[in-house]
Amino acid sequence: GQSLEQPSEVTAVEGAIVQINCTYQTSGFYGLSWYQQHDGGAPTFLSYNALDGLEETGRFSSFLSRSDSYGYLLLQELQMKDSASYFCAVRGGDNTDKLIFGTGTRLQVFP
Amino acid sequence: DAGVTQSPTHLIKTRGQQVTLRCSPKSGHDTVSWYQQALGQGPQFIFQYYEEEERQRGNFPDRFSGHQFPNYSSELNVNALLLGDSALYLCASSLEAGGRTEAFFGQGTRLTVV
Repeated sequence: GQSLEQPSEVTAVEGAIVQINCTYQTSGFYGLSWYQQHDGGAPTFLSYNALDGLEETGRFSSFLSRSDSYGYLLLQELQMKDSASYFCAVRGGDNTDKLIFGTGTRLQVFP
Repeated sequence: DAGVTQSPTHLIKTRGQQVTLRCSPKSGHDTVSWYQQALGQGPQFIFQYYEEEERQRGNFPDRFSGHQFPNYSSELNVNALLLGDSALYLCASSLEAGGRTEAFFGQGTRLTVV
């Protein structure tokens, strides 16, 4: 089967750094994406890793190790508005854009 | 530039009824995917449409069907609704030739089956 494992919840304070891990087991792999979703909102794209290594986009960075089937999202200088659910998603190894999502990590940022 | 738009935003239906949800993709996008998101869960892939044809399908019964129109907009139809079909239905659009790095999601339709 195909599965992505994430911690269910993470808490942190404003200004801190938090890392959200994702391990995956899929039949095909064409890259790991991260999405943010606020309550009642649409998932919004944060980052994408097709190759091993670190991708940096402002306060957010994402890392991928294909040999370990592992990735993480790093959020720096946390702000209250970062409180949301974060999903890792694997692009399936077929000829479509199908995304296989993890169960999500709920991040709560406290003052 | 309008993003992905979905209608309606909320819907209440009775068990056994049929429902149609609509999606307009982001301008310039030609591929539409539908996802079902139960409360507290990640989105689950239903199917994808490209060039007006269903290209890929997830583990959903035939009660779930769809359509894509020449203008790339799409509909999701669910027949014989069950209580378990209550969920947020998300539409995502992307560009076939765009390197498949990013899918844009709509705000979703919250379907409640009673």
